[in-house]
Amino acid sequence: DVKVTQSSRYLVKRTGEKVFLECVQDMDHENMFWYRQDPGLGLRLIYFSYDVKMKEKGDIPEGYSVSREKKERFSLILESASTNQTSMYLCASTPITAGVSSSTDTQYFGPGTRLTVL
Amino acid sequence: KQEVTQIPAALSVPEGENLVLNCSFTDSAIYNLQWFRQDPGKGLTSLLLIQSSQREQTSGRLNASLDKSSGRSTLYIAASQPGDSATYLCAGLYNTDKLIFGTGTRLQVFP
Repeated sequence: DVKVTQSSRYLVKRTGEKVFLECVQDMDHENMFWYRQDPGLGLRLIYFSYDVKMKEKGDIPEGYSVSREKKERFSLILESASTNQTSMYLCASTPITAGVSSSTDTQYFGPGTRLTVL
Repeated sequence: KQEVTQIPAALSVPEGENLVLNCSFTDSAIYNLQWFRQDPGKGLTSLLLIQSSQREQTSGRLNASLDKSSGRSTLYIAASQPGDSATYLCAGLYNTDKLIFGTGTRLQVFP
């Protein structure tokens, strides 16, 4: 079974702190994604990556950056956390290869990190 | 703009009832339509994936249909059980390799 793990289930940080959220997948998937989920807004894509050292902005990248130094690991970074970044953060991976969209592959999600910024 | 909408936002039914969750999408050029389940405070679990060339998919008590021409998908749950209580999300995959999610339907099945 595909396994996507996230470093923390719950995290409490203070305004202005630098925050790292880690995601690891064990199925050699090329694509990895970071979403945030807020009540009434659904899941919104922050960043995604097609391969090591590659990254693409999603719909709401402001205030975030990402790092993908190894294929299995995709990190989300909040350079200076703010209260409006309090949210549930979900990581996902998929074997879809960039430029060759497959209609048969789903995204596999991690358990999520509930981040609270005080 | 590609948008996915789910109605109703919440649903409460007695155990044993058959029910239908609705999903609509504005752009019919989808590669596939996916249904996920999310338990409180947890990640998403894939339930069914319908490719754009397909009309429906079935898994156990779940049946999902896709009508691209009308921009609609439905998730049918037969003989609902309390364990089916969760939030159900639909999402459309487009040629950008990005999933566009609906805001979900929160289902409660009571004994």
